[in-house]
Amino acid sequence: GENVEQHPSTLSVQEGDSAVIKCTYSDSASNYFPWYKQELGKRPQLIIDIRSNVGEKKDQRIAVTLNKTAKHFSLHITETQPEDSAVYFCAASIGPGANNLFFGTGTRLTVIP
Amino acid sequence: GAGVSQSPRYKVAKRGQDVALRCDPISGHVSLFWYQQALGQGPEFLTYFQNEAQLDKSGLPSDRFFAERPEGSVSTLKIQRTQQEDSAVYLCASSPEGVGDTQYFGPGTRLTVL
Repeated sequence: GENVEQHPSTLSVQEGDSAVIKCTYSDSASNYFPWYKQELGKRPQLIIDIRSNVGEKKDQRIAVTLNKTAKHFSLHITETQPEDSAVYFCAASIGPGANNLFFGTGTRLTVIP
Repeated sequence: GAGVSQSPRYKVAKRGQDVALRCDPISGHVSLFWYQQALGQGPEFLTYFQNEAQLDKSGLPSDRFFAERPEGSVSTLKIQRTQQEDSAVYLCASSPEGVGDTQYFGPGTRLTVL
């Protein structure tokens, strides 16, 4: 099955700086890569996703890049704010007919005011 | 509109008890997923329904775990003879349909087995 690795496990940045979280996946059949933000005790919330036919996607301060050849994808958050502090999970999905997400182990991001 | 809801939010069970966890997906969503999230870890897939059909149960850790979605809407995850290692947050997610559709998560049920 798919194996998703995520780094770093913890990340501290000063408010206004950028944060980058990286993930690798093992199965070249994976074609959908969402990122979820999870605050303590809350549900995972989708913040951005990318499909394998796209190399980069941006939504305001958040961007995701995908390198299919190297089988890695990254989350970039610019101009970080204290409310960005949370645990971020990357995930990969193999399709068709297998929609379940394989998650990374998470990155705890702390934005220092 | 209403998001995915789960009940109860918290459940404490004595070892050996049976528990039932409920998930109400977003209305009209075809696909429903159950995940298990251990403390400090990412969610791990348990099982997947498309309407009432359970298409994948490969992630269920043992035959003590059973899930159903008899009318293609509400789903129940049942754990029989709970063990301490079952303690985790159980997350439900639903998606409209299709491969790679966005999955919307519920708030989870935190199960503690004493």
